[in-house]
Amino acid sequence: GESVGLHLPTLSVQEGDNSIINCAYSNSASDYFIWYKQESGKGPQFIIDIRSNMDKRQGQRVTVLLNKTVKHLSLQIAATQPGDSAVYFCAVVTNSGYSTLTFGKGTMLLVSP
Amino acid sequence: DVKVTQSSRYLVKRTGEKVFLECVQDMDHENMFWYRQDPGLGLRLIYFSYDVKMKEKGDIPEGYSVSREKKERFSLILESASTNQTSMYLCASSLAGDNEQYFGPGTRLTVT
Repeated sequence: GESVGLHLPTLSVQEGDNSIINCAYSNSASDYFIWYKQESGKGPQFIIDIRSNMDKRQGQRVTVLLNKTVKHLSLQIAATQPGDSAVYFCAVVTNSGYSTLTFGKGTMLLVSP
Repeated sequence: DVKVTQSSRYLVKRTGEKVFLECVQDMDHENMFWYRQDPGLGLRLIYFSYDVKMKEKGDIPEGYSVSREKKERFSLILESASTNQTSMYLCASSLAGDNEQYFGPGTRLTVT
């Protein structure tokens, strides 16, 4: 089955810095990826997604990069703010018929003023 | 906005008790999911349902069962709670064919 790994459990940055959170997946046939943000005391919330036919997708202050060759994706947050402090999960669709997801273990982003 | 609600934010139960965790979504979603979240392990899928009265096992179904009698409601049942089921339980829902899942706030269950 699919496994989703994470490179760094905690990332500490200064306000205004750019943040990069990484994720690796195992199944080269995976074709849909999602980043979620989970703030303290809340459920995960969708941030951005990307399909395997794309290398890059941009949202508001966030960019997701997908490297299918090495099975790696990253989430970049520009001009990180204290409100960005949260746990970030990457997720890979593992059953497109039922839309089930396999989640990585999460990276806690800590933003200091 | 999609709203997924869970019946309790915090729950304390004793070993051997039968526990019901309820989840309700208000957006007519076909798919509903139950996860548990543990430190260092991320979210792991317990069970999911793609239609009323339908259920499928996820990655860690042992010790759990589910019920979906109505489209908007998905229940997770611990037949005989054990201490290793102490965890955060998250419910999610999605439209059929849509990969984006919407999550509830979670229920932190402690089994003593």
